[in-house]
Amino acid sequence: EAGVTQSPTHLIKTRGQQATLRCSPISGHTSVYWYQQALGLGLQFLLWYDEGEERNRGNFPPRFSGRQFPNYSSELNVNALELEDSALYLCASSFVGSGSTLGTDTQYFGPGTRLTVL
Amino acid sequence: TQLLEQSPQFLSIQEGENLTVYCNSSSVFSSLQWYRQEPGEGPVLLVTVVTGGEVKKLKRLTFQFGDARKDSSLHITAAQPGDTGLYLCAGAIEYSSASKIIFGSGTRLSIRP
Repeated sequence: EAGVTQSPTHLIKTRGQQATLRCSPISGHTSVYWYQQALGLGLQFLLWYDEGEERNRGNFPPRFSGRQFPNYSSELNVNALELEDSALYLCASSFVGSGSTLGTDTQYFGPGTRLTVL
Repeated sequence: TQLLEQSPQFLSIQEGENLTVYCNSSSVFSSLQWYRQEPGEGPVLLVTVVTGGEVKKLKRLTFQFGDARKDSSLHITAAQPGDTGLYLCAGAIEYSSASKIIFGSGTRLSIRP
């Protein structure tokens, strides 16, 4: 069974540009989560999508946005890039079955996209 | 604000030694996960513990969930260089109006040959 996949592996942008990161969840998973991990730091929660809707959002500015497609894949968009946006962006997926409390099922991570802003 | 504190932040030991890392919170978790992350890669799930007092073993790794489900420990016996990595714990909090998973900041483990 294929795991969570992310593309691209690496992305280099300049300040002020926009970045688009993509994630495909494990087959059968309906929830996708995005995290930012700056060098040497822990995971900072960005966004959670389930069944095509944004369910929760971390403490990040509006220039961080995303969406989830009907096939449950997801995009993370970062507008007006700043130098401090340089980080590893991780996507995770989980299965949220009926009766489950949203957002607390075990998450499986992709390999990440390394974004560098120059 | 729920916090999940991991200790120590950094640990460097010799191959063959034993070690324990800790994950502590004032919050009660419905479940807790441990992950290991290697440089440039995503975290890989090691174990999920659900029941207070639960102990799970994965080869040389022993995971324990506290009786009150507020803390957890990871014990590694006879550490090997392949155990090197960032160990993250993540706790699931469920309550009536919302629910979420919070991650600790991690323990960076280095095993010297």
